[in-house]
Amino acid sequence: NAGVTQTPKFRVLKTGQSMTLLCAQDMNHEYMYWYRQDPGMGLRLIHYSVGEGTTAKGEVPDGYNVSRLKKQNFLLGLESAAPSQTSVYFCASSQQTQPQHFGDGTRLSIL
Amino acid sequence: SQQGEEDPQALSIQEGENATMNCSYKTSINNLQWYRQNSGRGLVHLILIRSNEREKHSGRLRVTLDTSKKSSSLLITASRAADTASYFCATDPAGGSYIPTFGRGTSLIVHP
Repeated sequence: NAGVTQTPKFRVLKTGQSMTLLCAQDMNHEYMYWYRQDPGMGLRLIHYSVGEGTTAKGEVPDGYNVSRLKKQNFLLGLESAAPSQTSVYFCASSQQTQPQHFGDGTRLSIL
Repeated sequence: SQQGEEDPQALSIQEGENATMNCSYKTSINNLQWYRQNSGRGLVHLILIRSNEREKHSGRLRVTLDTSKKSSSLLITASRAADTASYFCATDPAGGSYIPTFGRGTSLIVHP
């Protein structure tokens, strides 16, 4: 089983460029999440979705947008990348009240 | 803000020893989960304990929950070098949001 797949795995951007991170899950989960992980900060929730067509802000949503047009996909967009957005981004999915399944991350550097 | 906070931040032990990590949280919860993260990988769920449970076991893992103290502990018995990883607790807050909040993690190194 593929589980949660994130693409790309690595990316280097210049300040001001835009990009989209893709997350796909094949477990028919209702809930999907985007986190960023920085040294010493643990996981911080950016945005999440409780079902197809719905999205909500997490702890650190500024500078990011998301879309959940299909149940299996959750897209994270950076409209104008900033060096402060250099991080490792993790996507996760779950059913309500159940443990989360994580992808292996996207390592993003912004110069 | 992060609901769960793990302690210690880092732990270094010898193979065969037991490793204990603690998690404290601030508000009432539905359940508490422990996850493991190997270097360069995503988090993997280890064990979930509900608010009405006090102790749970899974193989070499033992989790306890004390809701009166708002704390949990994860014990790994007879540790192995392969247990080297970061360990995170996540709390599912009471009130129906079903959106877990993660702590900063404990980095465990097990020396062969």
